[in-house]
Amino acid sequence: NAGVTQTPKFRVLKTGQSMTLLCAQDMNHEYMYWYRQDPGMGLRLIHYSVGEGTTAKGEVPDGYNVSRLKKQNFLLGLESAAPSQTSVYFCASRGPLETQYFGPGTRLLVL
Amino acid sequence: AQRVTQPEKLLSVFKGAPVELKCNYSYSGSPELFWYVQYSRQRLQLLLRHISRESIKGFTADLNKGETSFHLKKPFAQEEDSAMYYCAPHYNTDKLIFGTGTRLQVFP
Repeated sequence: NAGVTQTPKFRVLKTGQSMTLLCAQDMNHEYMYWYRQDPGMGLRLIHYSVGEGTTAKGEVPDGYNVSRLKKQNFLLGLESAAPSQTSVYFCASRGPLETQYFGPGTRLLVL
Repeated sequence: AQRVTQPEKLLSVFKGAPVELKCNYSYSGSPELFWYVQYSRQRLQLLLRHISRESIKGFTADLNKGETSFHLKKPFAQEEDSAMYYCAPHYNTDKLIFGTGTRLQVFP
């Protein structure tokens, strides 16, 4: 099992550009999450999904959109990137006993 | 509101010293409590959960409902314990709430 994977690992964008981050899990988990990690701010939830075809807003959803067309994939989109979105993005899925399994992260730099 | 506080951003100790990473949560029912750890250049992973009452890598965490705390402790820190530690209560909702994290540095 690969667990949770994320693509890409690193990306540089110019302000105003768009991109999609892909998260995939092979553990058949229903719940999936997107977080951003910033120094001194900890992990903040952007969006999450409780199952295929569903999405919900987290703590900091503005500027991001998500889609969960397939159970194993959870996509995070930035329509018009801003420097404030420079961060490390983590995807996670939730398994038994509420345990979350994290991906390796995507480092995004917006210039 | 459901909140979790980790008051120390950075905790530095020498190898062999005791360690206590503090976590306080807002009272709202009886949350399940977790500690996650992130070693340098690695993904976050579960360190321990309260419900299991387990000891992982020498770490334990005691739930104090009166003080609404779930502090993480280890009697003798090792250099390999250097990492970022996150406390995370689960309030019977669809999501975990993560604290801001404490960076533990263990010096030789």
